[in-house]
This record gives sequence, C-alpha cells and structure tokens, in this order.
Amino acid sequence: QVQLQESGPGLVKPSETLSLTCTVSGASISSYYWSWIRQPAGKGLEWIGRIYISVSANYNPSLKSRVTMSVDTSKKQFSLKLSSVTAADTAVYYCARGYGDFDYWGQGTLVTVSS
Amino acid sequence: EIVLTQSPGTLSLSPGERVTLSCRASQSVSSSYLAWYQQKPGQAPRLLIYGASSRATGIPDRFSGSGSGTDFTLTISRLEPEDFAVYYCQQYGSSLLTFGGGTKVE
Repeated sequence: QVQLQESGPGLVKPSETLSLTCTVSGASISSYYWSWIRQPAGKGLEWIGRIYISVSANYNPSLKSRVTMSVDTSKKQFSLKLSSVTAADTAVYYCARGYGDFDYWGQGTLVTVSS
Repeated sequence: EIVLTQSPGTLSLSPGERVTLSCRASQSVSSSYLAWYQQKPGQAPRLLIYGASSRATGIPDRFSGSGSGTDFTLTISRLEPEDFAVYYCQQYGSSLLTFGGGTKVE
C-alpha cells in the first residue's frame, strides 16, 4: 500500500525558508515523479512543482524563483524548500505521486507564516 | 497558463439524484489530459478520473468523465451520501499544471 507522509515545521517566520519532507512507503521513489501541491484555507489547489529522482524538476513559474525540490533515495524521501515566505504562503501543503495526475496523496500539513 | 472554470460553484442536491459538473478550459487541453478529484473536509483530494474518462483504481462506476478540447464533464449517475464533497478538475496537458476552482456538492 502506497503511503506518503509530510513532515516539517508548522510555523515559519516571514522572509525565512519553509522546508518540508515527504516520506514514501510502498512504492519505489526512483520510479515515479513526485509533486508538491498547496491549498490555502478555504481556497483551491495550486501545483508547486514536481521532481524525478534529482535529475528532472519542473516548477510553477509563479514560484520558480523561490522553490527548490530534491530527492533522497536512501531515505525514501523528497523535499520542498520555499524561500522568502510571506503570509500568502500560508496553506496546507500536500505531497503527491505523479507527473500529471496524482494518484496518491499525503494527508497534508498546515504551514503558517507568521512572526 | 490554462485557466479552468468550473460551474456551478455550488450544487444543492439529494441522494439518488444525477449530478453533472462542468469544467471549461481557456484553451484546448492537449491529449485530454484532464483529471477530476473529490475532496472532503480535512482530507486530501482523491483521484477519480484521469485522461478525461478513465476511472482511477477503486472508483465506483457511478462516476464517469467525458469531454475533449475545452469542455469536460464529470457525471455521478446516482448520488450517494458519501459523495457530498468538493470536486476539482485539473489539466496536465501543459507544462504548468492548473486546477479549477472547484464545485461543492451539498
């Protein structure tokens, strides 16, 4: 059974870097693309980007200058870093499996940007 | 950027009714790379349909998807109590993946 679990700080100060990790079980992390998606409270979904191992990454142009994704195959984890955060980055962050459509999702983790 | 517009914003229905949800794209979605998701409060979205009309694993056959180009539809043939949720369409035919704003079925 494929499972994804997000982890990371729930509170980040403005101008700092948001860092999240997604741990994958039940699937080979080297065989799929992995994505991050976020959802502000009461709003819709926004795709942040996707990564395949550490050789291919695509980011949403609106966030590209602030986003870095990476994969650690030994730990079966992939990560998101979003720099220079503001209150507008407050959202539930989901990790998911997929290049285009997303068939498995983590439960989501709320990240609040506040001083 | 392909903008997806979902209508209506909210549907008020009763169990047993037939539901038709619309998703309109601002430009043609390549190769019908259109997916539908269901999201319940406090939960992650669940993939229902991919490739515009293919049901994801474990999805009941009362859910069906259709359409091509710029107009897509999700149909629920008979609404079950567990189907009350928000439904999102999403396109992955361009390099920037985008979601619609959602339709709430209440």
